[in-house]
Amino acid sequence: EAQVTQNPRYLITVTGKKLTVTCSQNMNHEYMSWYRQDPGLGLRQIYYSMNVEVTDKGDVPEGYKVSRKEKRNFPLILESPSPNQTSLYFCASSSAGYSGSYEQYFGPGTRLTVT
Amino acid sequence: SQQGEEDPQALSIQEGENATMNCSYKTSINNLQWYRQNSGRGLVHLILIRSNEREKHSGRLRVTLDTSKKSSSLLITASRAADTASYFCATVPDNYGQNFVFGPGTRLSVLP
Repeated sequence: EAQVTQNPRYLITVTGKKLTVTCSQNMNHEYMSWYRQDPGLGLRQIYYSMNVEVTDKGDVPEGYKVSRKEKRNFPLILESPSPNQTSLYFCASSSAGYSGSYEQYFGPGTRLTVT
Repeated sequence: SQQGEEDPQALSIQEGENATMNCSYKTSINNLQWYRQNSGRGLVHLILIRSNEREKHSGRLRVTLDTSKKSSSLLITASRAADTASYFCATVPDNYGQNFVFGPGTRLSVLP
């Protein structure tokens, strides 16, 4: 079954404790992306990746890191989480070309709470 | 930066009625996409319309795009209770960038 998986689905942590949210897709998609969703703000893009070893900042990259060492995986790293990073996070992937992007497939979301 | 802006923010209709949601954006686009999200879950792609297209249909969905006004509309005909969800438009810029920009969404409630 074609899917995007995220782990963990729920996470409560404390300020400053490094964490990683994993994302994996089995569709051989080139494009992967991370979003955060906050009430009233919709989805905001954090980082995206066009292919292995190619990443770029989205609209809200501060406080986050990503890496793309394998095509299927795109982990999101919070080196020193703060309470303002409490949010619902989504990973997405897409078969994309430089002539334009195609539909994105979303993971189920990771609800992160930083106390 | 938030480019897509949906209107209205919330919409409540009776089953069987049509629902129309609008999206406005600011810069030139390669394509515009509509997504649906059931409460707290991942988004599901509904339809994509490219900048050189004016109208597209998919089942009960009809999307229009007016690039001169930088706006799009999503029409859901003969709505069902199962259509209750939030609907988002997402734009992809025409500068070969790949940064999707989502609007804040329209919350649709279809009452039985």
